[in-house]
Amino acid sequence: DSGVTQTPKHLITATGQRVTLRCSPRSGDLSVYWYQQSLDQGLQFLIQYYNGEERAKGNILERFSAQQFPDLHSELNLSSLELGDSALYFCASSVSPDFGELFFGEGSRLTVL
Amino acid sequence: ILNVEQSPQSLHVQEGDSTNFTCSFPSSNFYALHWYRWETAKSPEALFVMTLNGDEKKKGRISATLNTKEGYSYLYIKGSQPEDSATYLCAFSGTMEYGNKLVFGAGTILRVKS
Repeated sequence: DSGVTQTPKHLITATGQRVTLRCSPRSGDLSVYWYQQSLDQGLQFLIQYYNGEERAKGNILERFSAQQFPDLHSELNLSSLELGDSALYFCASSVSPDFGELFFGEGSRLTVL
Repeated sequence: ILNVEQSPQSLHVQEGDSTNFTCSFPSSNFYALHWYRWETAKSPEALFVMTLNGDEKKKGRISATLNTKEGYSYLYIKGSQPEDSATYLCAFSGTMEYGNKLVFGAGTILRVKS
């Protein structure tokens, strides 16, 4: 158990809908990262937050947004969903903002029908 | 463009064989190189985080080396066991033009037959 909690574990929804994925980092970790793993693709970096502030942005679509709250949990919002958004979304956390060892959650599997 | 490449894509070995994988990354603006182990139906777990050229790290039968000047890292597994079967990921973070991102390679899939 990495200490990183992600909910929901599985989610099935329809195209055009909006979903929110939630992540609680390990106790004491200030950095939260979101990664997407689509079929036949590696882990794609989406976005990083450190202590409530956006720190780095990767290949995150404009339809996606994220935030980190004062209690350090983070949410990834995916809107106007398309079939291609079906993927496994991982949250990870670390103590430092500069990519120390990452601790991954178990992922949220999103299926868009 | 930041490319992190891993080879081979997959590897099938017999129990007891020693094996190694390669991770290639940009040789400029280096910050850190990570190795993760990802078992099926689980989440990736960190093996090593390496920051200095010439670093060598070891954890049990697994070790890794780092050459930042030429942009590569090797992961070695000595005496492979079936429980070593997993996908091994490397990830690169760089400074300046590479921003604050940790970019993963596609991974090497290792299958160890008993």
